Amino acid sequence: AQTVTQSQPEMSVQEAETVTLSCTYDTSESDYYLFWYKQPPSRQMILVIRQEAYKQQNATENRFSVNFQKAAKSFSLKISDSQLGDAAMYFCAYNQDGGSQGNLIFGKGTKLSVKP
Amino acid sequence: DAGVIQSPRHEVTEMGQEVTLRCKPISGHNSLFWYRQTMMRGLELLIYFNNNVPIDDSGMPEDRFSAKMPNASFSTLKIQPSEPRDSAVYFCASSFWFGGYTFGSGTRLTVV
Repeated sequence: AQTVTQSQPEMSVQEAETVTLSCTYDTSESDYYLFWYKQPPSRQMILVIRQEAYKQQNATENRFSVNFQKAAKSFSLKISDSQLGDAAMYFCAYNQDGGSQGNLIFGKGTKLSVKP
Repeated sequence: DAGVIQSPRHEVTEMGQEVTLRCKPISGHNSLFWYRQTMMRGLELLIYFNNNVPIDDSGMPEDRFSAKMPNASFSTLKIQPSEPRDSAVYFCASSFWFGGYTFGSGTRLTVV
């Protein structure tokens, strides 16, 4: 069975600095999708970024980028120029089929604090 | 689009009572998922539907939980009878082929 591991329960970053959140996963499949979701105190689950395993190029969305290492089964999230609004729980998630046929398997999350 | 709409946002009920959570997915999305979030277990899938048909309900804790999707625009998750250990945030999400998942705002259920 696929699993997702986030080894950092909590992280802290200074405003305007860069922080990297770690995620590893286990799967025997070659095609799959990986996601980072943000959950602020409002509890809304917000998609931050998504990566297709068949794409070698790392996904980027403005200040958010990933380092996808397929062989190492690693999928870290880098947040540049951190802002106070980035403070939230961040969940890494794995999906086999891209969002229609399968389950999203989540890690336990990393709580990110941003210091002014 | 208004996104995935869940109701109620908060629910407090007494042990033994029936609880019904509701979800309206995004129009045109063909898959719907119910997740439960607790501190101890994190986010776990309860059940998901594809084209209104239940595909995987292996995450449903026990027979006290049931879910229905009578049409493409509505789903319910029912707990009968409710117990304190059912207290959690319940999320509904919908998706379209390769379109990713969109989550509702969740229902915080407290069973006292």
